[in-house]
Amino acid sequence: AQSVAQPEDQVNVAEGNPLTVKCTYSVSGNPYLFWYVQYPNRGLQFLLKYITGDNLVKGSYGFEAEFNKSQTSFHLKKPSALVSDSALYFCAVRDGYNFNKFYFGSGTKLNVKP
Amino acid sequence: DAGVTQSPTHLIKTRGQHVTLRCSPISGHKSVSWYQQVLGQGPQFIFQYYEKEERGRGNFPDRFSARQFPNYSSELNVNALLLGDSALYLCASSLGDRVLGNTEAFFGQGTRLTVV
Repeated sequence: AQSVAQPEDQVNVAEGNPLTVKCTYSVSGNPYLFWYVQYPNRGLQFLLKYITGDNLVKGSYGFEAEFNKSQTSFHLKKPSALVSDSALYFCAVRDGYNFNKFYFGSGTKLNVKP
Repeated sequence: DAGVTQSPTHLIKTRGQHVTLRCSPISGHKSVSWYQQVLGQGPQFIFQYYEKEERGRGNFPDRFSARQFPNYSSELNVNALLLGDSALYLCASSLGDRVLGNTEAFFGQGTRLTVV
């Protein structure tokens, strides 16, 4: 069965500092991993995905994620946080058979302070 | 191009009532999936439809049903509403082709359902 875990309910960083939002996964087969962001009262916006290839994936709004197979992790990172990055971030893994079925983590609330 | 559109954006229903939520996918997308997001949790998969056929079902009771129309739009129906059905219901669309399994899903803004 596919699953992801986000160990931190909340992450606090100061504007301009680097940020990391953690995600670990458990899959049978190849992992198809995604990050989505959700602003208040909004749907989910796609940030980036790992399917295959380079372990460092670059996405929207300056975000990137590092795939680490040995640690079964897919942490989201950004070199310099903005106040506008404050939102709820979800890690997700795609089902191995139904490519349109995603398993989401519980979410991590990112607070960027000025 | 318009993104995934959902209607209504908000609604309030009474326990025991029935509700229908609607979703229009991105033009060219043939797959629609529905998710329930309870406050403080990640989205949970309810259904997936492709070419008007149900292709996947999550762990939800039979009170939940859905269908997809020839134009690929979709409806989610929930009967005999319970207080616990209060949530944000998200619709996602994708190309839906297994060969293109590396494509992401695009989400609508959701319908906020409150059951009182």
